[in-house]
Amino acid sequence: DAKTTQPPSMDCAEGRAANLPCNHSTISGNEYVYWYRQIHSQGPQYIIHGLKNNETNEMASLIITEDRKSSTLILPHATLRDTAVYYCIAPFGNEKLTFGTGTRLTIIP
Amino acid sequence: NAGVTQTPKFQVLKTGQSMTLQCAQDMNHEYMSWYRQDPGMGLRLIHYSVGAGITDQGEVPNGYNVSRSTTEDFPLRLLSAAPSQTSVYFCASSRKWAGTGELFFGEGSRLTVL
Repeated sequence: DAKTTQPPSMDCAEGRAANLPCNHSTISGNEYVYWYRQIHSQGPQYIIHGLKNNETNEMASLIITEDRKSSTLILPHATLRDTAVYYCIAPFGNEKLTFGTGTRLTIIP
Repeated sequence: NAGVTQTPKFQVLKTGQSMTLQCAQDMNHEYMSWYRQDPGMGLRLIHYSVGAGITDQGEVPNGYNVSRSTTEDFPLRLLSAAPSQTSVYFCASSRKWAGTGELFFGEGSRLTVL
């Protein structure tokens, strides 16, 4: 796995865009970047993944830099329900998928 | 589809007791795995399986056994429970993990060892 680095915590005002950064400077060319989130103590939930191009789905957008050494998960209009721990991972075909401690995002009313 | 189902949701054990955490998925996924999560910590991989009859160790396998006799089921056995195994356990599955699959998680099993 490429090592990923995320800030331990972030705050965002409700209704604003939440931008969560992730550094993965050791990522290899074929390594996807995945984002998951964990609300309270529920099981983690898949959000989005990407390789090179920016990706968007109904939950979020993923912006990957051209050199692929970092990415940003964007929640366009954050709500209180988006308060969670967000994990960025880059497993590269590795069956041992490991999670770090992620970023604890708090949405402020 | 029920997705990934874990039982029991809560369990209290005494030190030295054994038990099995059950995990079942109805999505015909090849890949299944077990994680534990301690308070304030990330998820740590215990064991995983890439298909029926194939299992391997993760980061923290000691004290746990697994088997995969069917595609659907991946039970986790605690042979002799210790207080250090007090944790929340998550089972996950993926269609075919090769770094390009989405992991589906169960709701967790909360285990307390006294």
